[in-house]
Amino acid sequence: AQSVTQLDSHVSVSEGTPVLLRCNYSSSYSPSLFWYVQHPNKGLQLLLKYTSAATLVKGINGFEAEFKKSETSFHLTKPSAHMSDAAEYFCVVSTIMNTGFQKLVFGTGTRLLVSP
Amino acid sequence: NAGVTQTPKFRILKIGQSMTLQCTQDMNHNYMYWYRQDPGMGLKLIYYSVGAGITDKGEVPNGYNVSRSTTEDFPLRLELAAPSQTSVYFCASSYGQGRAGDEQFFGPGTRLTVL
Repeated sequence: AQSVTQLDSHVSVSEGTPVLLRCNYSSSYSPSLFWYVQHPNKGLQLLLKYTSAATLVKGINGFEAEFKKSETSFHLTKPSAHMSDAAEYFCVVSTIMNTGFQKLVFGTGTRLLVSP
Repeated sequence: NAGVTQTPKFRILKIGQSMTLQCTQDMNHNYMYWYRQDPGMGLKLIYYSVGAGITDKGEVPNGYNVSRSTTEDFPLRLELAAPSQTSVYFCASSYGQGRAGDEQFFGPGTRLTVL
C-alpha cells in the first residue's frame, strides 16, 4: 500500500531563510505525489504535484519539490521564507483502491513556523 | 465561481443528535469527497462519489451516510453523534481521476464538536 512519512512535525525558520520540509513515500509503482498547504482555519490548497514528468516540480508562491526515486523522497523547498508561509503542509500520495478508485493518502503534516 | 462551499462552519452537537453537513461545488466536477481531520493527523476519506447517484465508502465510513442526487451537492449525514466524531470535516471535488493526478479542490471545513 502507498504511504507517506513526513519526517518533522514542526519546522521553525526565520523570515528570509530557506525552507526544507521532508517527505518520504512508499509505493509499489510510480506514484503521483502532491504537496498541499493549509492556512489556519482554511481548506487545503494545492502547492504542486508530481505525475512522472519532470523530477523537479515548481509550484505556487516560490515552492518547489524534487522527486528522488532512489531515495523515495519528495522534499519541499523554498529559497526564502515569508511570514505568510506559516501554515500546515501535507505531503500526499495517490493510491489505487480495489475498486479502481484513486484515493489520496495524506501524511500527518508539518507545521511551519516563521519568525521575524 | 465560489468553488467548494460548506455549511455550517461550526457546530456543537449532543451525543445521539443528528445533523447534515452541506457541501456544494460550482465547478461541474464529477468526483466529490468527504474527509475528516483529527488533531495531529492527516485527512482520512469517509465517503466519495464518482457522479450523481453513485457513492462508495472510504477508509472511515462508520457512523456516516451520504447521498448524491445532483452533480453540485454532496451532503454528509451523521445519524447518532458520538464524541469520536468530533473532528474537522472537509469536502472536496475534482474533475476526474487518473495517472495525471487530478487536483482536488477543498472547502473551508466544518468544525464539529460532540459533547
